[in-house]
Amino acid sequence: GNSVTQMEGPVTLSEEAFLTINCTYTATGYPSLFWYVQYPGEGLQLLLKATKADDKGSNKGFEATYRKETTSFHLEKGSVQVSDSAVYFCAGSYNTDKLIFGTGTRLQVFP
Amino acid sequence: NAGVTQTPKFRILKIGQSMTLQCTQDMNHNYMYWYRQDPGMGLKLIYYSVGAGITDKGEVPNGYNVSRSTTEDFPLRLELAAPSQTSVYFCASRDRAGGSYNEQFFGPGTRLTVL
Repeated sequence: GNSVTQMEGPVTLSEEAFLTINCTYTATGYPSLFWYVQYPGEGLQLLLKATKADDKGSNKGFEATYRKETTSFHLEKGSVQVSDSAVYFCAGSYNTDKLIFGTGTRLQVFP
Repeated sequence: NAGVTQTPKFRILKIGQSMTLQCTQDMNHNYMYWYRQDPGMGLKLIYYSVGAGITDKGEVPNGYNVSRSTTEDFPLRLELAAPSQTSVYFCASRDRAGGSYNEQFFGPGTRLTVL
């Protein structure tokens, strides 16, 4: 079946460092792709999304590009802040009513 | 809009007890979902509904039941609670328009411990 795979965490960075969290998806069809963020003690909230190849989603300084050739949707941010500390989930929707989530990557940013 | 609300926030159950986790959304979304999130794991779909009166099983439905009598409410019932059901439970909803392009909106979660 379809799956979304993301890098294991935790990712530990100093403030203002560059962030990459890898995410790949199975290439059955052309899913819509999402990044969700979960801050401590809260539910998930959408960070950004892309619905077709070469689309770039962006929000709050985060970016991710839908790359069909590498079946990837890596999350990047040029300069992280302590307030970005959270768990990040990659997810895909393969023309169904359901989302398939990756296992989540915990990001810890230290001052 | 309150969005998606869940009650209770926390609950401790004894083995064999039953309870209902409540979920309500005020966005008039047709689609609603129940997930569980175990420590260090991603989200697993328990049940979902595409509209009032329609429900379907997800990845891990055993030990749970749902009903959807209104658009707004989607309660999750645990019968005969077991320690394996200790988890954080999230309810989510999604608009039908736009299909799979649309995001799901999540509630704040219910942390359940079964002892």
